[in-house]
Amino acid sequence: QVQLVESGGGLVKPGGSLRLSCAASGFTFSDYYMNWIRQAPGKGLEWISYISTSGRIIYYADSVKGRFTISRDNAKNSLYLQMNSLRAEDTAVYYCARSYYGSGSYLVYWGQGTLATVSS
Amino acid sequence: QSVLTQPPSVSGAPGQRVTISCTGSSSNIGAGYDVHWYQQLPGTAPKVLIYSNNNRPSGVPDRFSGSKSGTSASLAITGLQAEDEADYYCQSYDSSLRGSGVFGTGTKVTVL
Repeated sequence: QVQLVESGGGLVKPGGSLRLSCAASGFTFSDYYMNWIRQAPGKGLEWISYISTSGRIIYYADSVKGRFTISRDNAKNSLYLQMNSLRAEDTAVYYCARSYYGSGSYLVYWGQGTLATVSS
Repeated sequence: QSVLTQPPSVSGAPGQRVTISCTGSSSNIGAGYDVHWYQQLPGTAPKVLIYSNNNRPSGVPDRFSGSKSGTSASLAITGLQAEDEADYYCQSYDSSLRGSGVFGTGTKVTVL
């Protein structure tokens, strides 16, 4: 069965960095667009980044552009999110999710999420 | 910053019918892009409830249904049950967002 398992969250000071990982299994990882979605405490869902199957097409929401970097390693069935210059407003649960097909399509599978807390 | 607007909350007694609206614009729902719905139970990840306007994944009860018209979409829950108490989000594609999807503001459904 399909599994997406995020890791790498934790407590970091403002201005610091975190690298989130998402390990995928149960499907041909290289065939699907992948996404990072975040949810601040008590708030709604925010689509922050996606990456195409080859990694050549990438999107960032304005809220994270220039600070976050999405990448994937198809050989390792893994998705990553490098988060730099973190701010208090980046505190959220970060989910990785698999698209049904291309960009903007519905998200068929979600991980359990990993919490990133930015606080001094 | 969401471009899809939902009511913050709706409520109903067990067995009743409730609907959740999702209002967009000419760059998303009004442009003909599909609308999808997610259910997020407390403390869990969202799961897809309705995809491509009115399709249910296997395992989703037929009490849930979706529709779309013009620049809006709706999710209906008939025969409301206690386990339906959750947050619900609509999602579509927006042509102004460089290929990204966009979520609605979210609606909390309370079973009275």
